[in-house]
Amino acid sequence: GAVVSQHPSWVICKSGTSVKIECRSLDFQATTMFWYRQFPKQSLMLMATSNEGSKATYEQGVEKDKFLINHASLTLSTLTVTSAHPEDSSFYICSARVGVKEKLFFGSGTQLSVL
Amino acid sequence: AQSVSQHNHHVILSEAASLELGCNYSYGGTVNLFWYVQYPGQHLQLLLKYFSGDPLVKGIKGFEAEFIKSKFSFNLRKPSVQWSDTAEYFCALHGDGGSQGNLIFGKGTKLSVKP
Repeated sequence: GAVVSQHPSWVICKSGTSVKIECRSLDFQATTMFWYRQFPKQSLMLMATSNEGSKATYEQGVEKDKFLINHASLTLSTLTVTSAHPEDSSFYICSARVGVKEKLFFGSGTQLSVL
Repeated sequence: AQSVSQHNHHVILSEAASLELGCNYSYGGTVNLFWYVQYPGQHLQLLLKYFSGDPLVKGIKGFEAEFIKSKFSFNLRKPSVQWSDTAEYFCALHGDGGSQGNLIFGKGTKLSVKP
């Protein structure tokens, strides 16, 4: 089946630095990618929807200047957490699909720890 | 290895039929379990979750799931489905793996309800 590769799986960074997370669809072209975060003991929260070649659509309450999303190609979307702070420590996961009615495939997630 | 298995890839039911979608997991520690739904053209929504306590969990839209620890299962049920329940359903596991979080999704089950 289709594979979505997310990298890195675990990152530790200093407060104030930026971290980039990559999400790649390995054997299909993803017209849409989604970015989620999950805090401990909570469910997934959708952060933004990313369509190839256009600006990401952010959910209410998500700072677009802090969480930069780029979907430059049909197989790659990146999430950059800029000037990370300890409260940004969370589990981030991406998903991808080909078309509106197509199946959703998930990456393996990235655990971000900001010191 | 940690995994979530959803054995049914596509389930087709008539309206008013009863539904049970299987979810089995493999994880060595304490688990939090989720069922998410994705309606056509929409993003993921949380149906229900289990953290602790009563193993029979009731969610939105008449769905419920039962955590059976001895069987490593968390099957989703609904007594009478409606056409509007047509969607893709994902079972997910979040393991309490110390400081490193992990969220594992099943491959999803597509439910088609015939009017």
